[in-house]
Amino acid sequence: GAVVSQHPSWVICKSGTSVKIECRSLDFQATTMFWYRQFPKQSLMLMATSNEGSKATYEQGVEKDKFLINHASLTLSTLTVTSAHPEDSSFYICSAPGLVDTGELFFGEGSRLTVL
Amino acid sequence: AQRVTQPEKLLSVFKGAPVELKCNYSYSGSPELFWYVQYSRQRLQLLLRHISRESIKGFTADLNKGETSFHLKKPFAQEEDSAMYYCALLQGAQKLVFGQGTRLTINP
Repeated sequence: GAVVSQHPSWVICKSGTSVKIECRSLDFQATTMFWYRQFPKQSLMLMATSNEGSKATYEQGVEKDKFLINHASLTLSTLTVTSAHPEDSSFYICSAPGLVDTGELFFGEGSRLTVL
Repeated sequence: AQRVTQPEKLLSVFKGAPVELKCNYSYSGSPELFWYVQYSRQRLQLLLRHISRESIKGFTADLNKGETSFHLKKPFAQEEDSAMYYCALLQGAQKLVFGQGTRLTINP
């Protein structure tokens, strides 16, 4: 089946620094990837849709300058949390769709960010 | 507004008992609904989708448009069913909106 991999799985950084999280589709190409954020014991909140070769589409309330998304190839999307603050600490999960119009998403293992 | 509601954050049943995880949705159109599951220390994965009308691991879910519900059911719970379950609504071609999730615990 389709595999999506994220790296790193866990990162700790100091306040004010930037952190990059990678999302790769290992055995398929993904022109679209989705980035979610999950707070403890809460649901997944869609942050943005990453589009290969074009700008990401951000959900309402998500700061595009804070969460930079780059989808430079058909197998890689990156999320950079710029000037991170403790409130940015969260679990970030990426996903990519399988066959078009089936609605199935393949999820990465997630990346836990802790900002000190 | 398109919304998915799972009213129960936690659900605990005994092994062998029936299970029903509730999901209600709000959608102006013909909805496509899914159940995703996340077992301990594993990634989120698709359990079933309503359009395929399949039964996976003994679970079924019927779309009830009149009640705007898509409850997940299993007649006899097993310990390995303990997990976090998310109901999701397809928005557009590929975007999913998730419910809050229900943590199911099966007691031995």
